[in-house]
Amino acid sequence: AQKITQTQPGMFVQEKEAVTLDCTYDTSDPSYGLFWYKQPSSGEMIFLIYQGSYDQQNATEGRYSLNFQKARKSANLVISASQLGDSAMYFCAMREGLGGSARQLTFGSGTQLTVLP
Amino acid sequence: DTGVSQDPRHKITKRGQNVTFRCDPISEHNRLYWYRQTLGQGPEFLTYFQNEAQLEKSRLLSDRFSAERPKGSFSTLEIQRTEQGDSAMYLCASSPVAPSYEQYFGPGTRLTVT
Repeated sequence: AQKITQTQPGMFVQEKEAVTLDCTYDTSDPSYGLFWYKQPSSGEMIFLIYQGSYDQQNATEGRYSLNFQKARKSANLVISASQLGDSAMYFCAMREGLGGSARQLTFGSGTQLTVLP
Repeated sequence: DTGVSQDPRHKITKRGQNVTFRCDPISEHNRLYWYRQTLGQGPEFLTYFQNEAQLEKSRLLSDRFSAERPKGSFSTLEIQRTEQGDSAMYLCASSPVAPSYEQYFGPGTRLTVT
């Protein structure tokens, strides 16, 4: 059974600083994808970044990067140069399978990030 | 706007009533997913469709829940005989078949059962 663990219920960061949100996962499937989503108070889930289990390099999308450590089964999200608009709930998620065989996402419990001015 | 849309955004109902939610996915997306999110938790998978075929259902989807996607376009999620425990945000997402790694979420329907 797949499982996602986010151990930080809440995090604070000063504006313009970098922050790392932790995520560990557990799966027996060698093919999987890891995702991070942002959920502002408005409720909509916003896709941030994706990492496939066979990807050799860490994924990056603008100010977001995913620190993928396969042996440790961790997929931490790094946000550089934090902005006030980054304040939101962040969810790590995993999907077993890749490509056409891929199915539903399993989410962690989330980390509430607050960016301080 | 060609994103995923959901209707209604909010629904308040009395225990025992039936409710139906609608999801319109991104038009070219073959896959459609329903999730439920309770306060302080991450979304939990309920069911998904590829075109009109319902391919998987979670154990969370009791017999009071039914979902359809009759023509492979929009989908409906019905809850019969609602209970207070059904109060949650119901999220719909869609994705293309290939490369199907990214799911796009709608704004959700917040259900309150009184």
